[in-house]
Amino acid sequence: DAGVIQSPRHEVTEMGQEVTLRCKPISGHNSLFWYRQTMMRGLELLIYFNNNVPIDDSGMPEDRFSAKMPNASFSTLKIQPSEPRDSAVYFCASREGRRTNEKLFFGSGTQLSVL
Amino acid sequence: GQQLNQSPQSMFIQEGEDVSMNCTSSSIFNTWLWYKQDPGEGPVLLIALYKAGELTSNGRLTAQFGTTRKDSFLNISASIPSDVGIYFCAGHEAGYSTLTFGKGTMLLVSP
Repeated sequence: DAGVIQSPRHEVTEMGQEVTLRCKPISGHNSLFWYRQTMMRGLELLIYFNNNVPIDDSGMPEDRFSAKMPNASFSTLKIQPSEPRDSAVYFCASREGRRTNEKLFFGSGTQLSVL
Repeated sequence: GQQLNQSPQSMFIQEGEDVSMNCTSSSIFNTWLWYKQDPGEGPVLLIALYKAGELTSNGRLTAQFGTTRKDSFLNISASIPSDVGIYFCAGHEAGYSTLTFGKGTMLLVSP
């Protein structure tokens, strides 16, 4: 299996622009997670889906952030408008089942820089 | 709330040395996971622990689920330069629907 696939690997944009991050989970996995990683805060969970349905979005910083999962093999995280403080590495992860203690598999991340 | 304290924050060692790091929580966890993140990559699962007292190895890595269920330990024996990276612990506390991650231990290995 190719693992969790994220695109783009790097994104540089200007403040105010819309940013869309993409994720393809491992085939057959039923849960998908979006994390943000910064030096100050470490790994923060933004939102997660079970069977394409958003379960908990309490980690989404504000209304500028939105996430969708239109089908089992694709998810997007959108930031509109972007701000410099959104600069971070964004990870997508997937899990085969719905039990919390199951293994989580991460993608390689998207390094976002907002100028 | 869920909090994991991971220590040390960073380590700089010589190749061949053994390494120990740990993770502690203020509440009981029923699962511990250890991940390694290489520079520019996502975290990769190393070891999963599901029972108090469990000791599991993966090559030169050994992890233990503490008997109090509030801590876990990761040991690396005979370190090599490719062990460089950030090691994260993650745990699952009953009643919570997501994992809690520690802040990570950055390991640097000098050849």
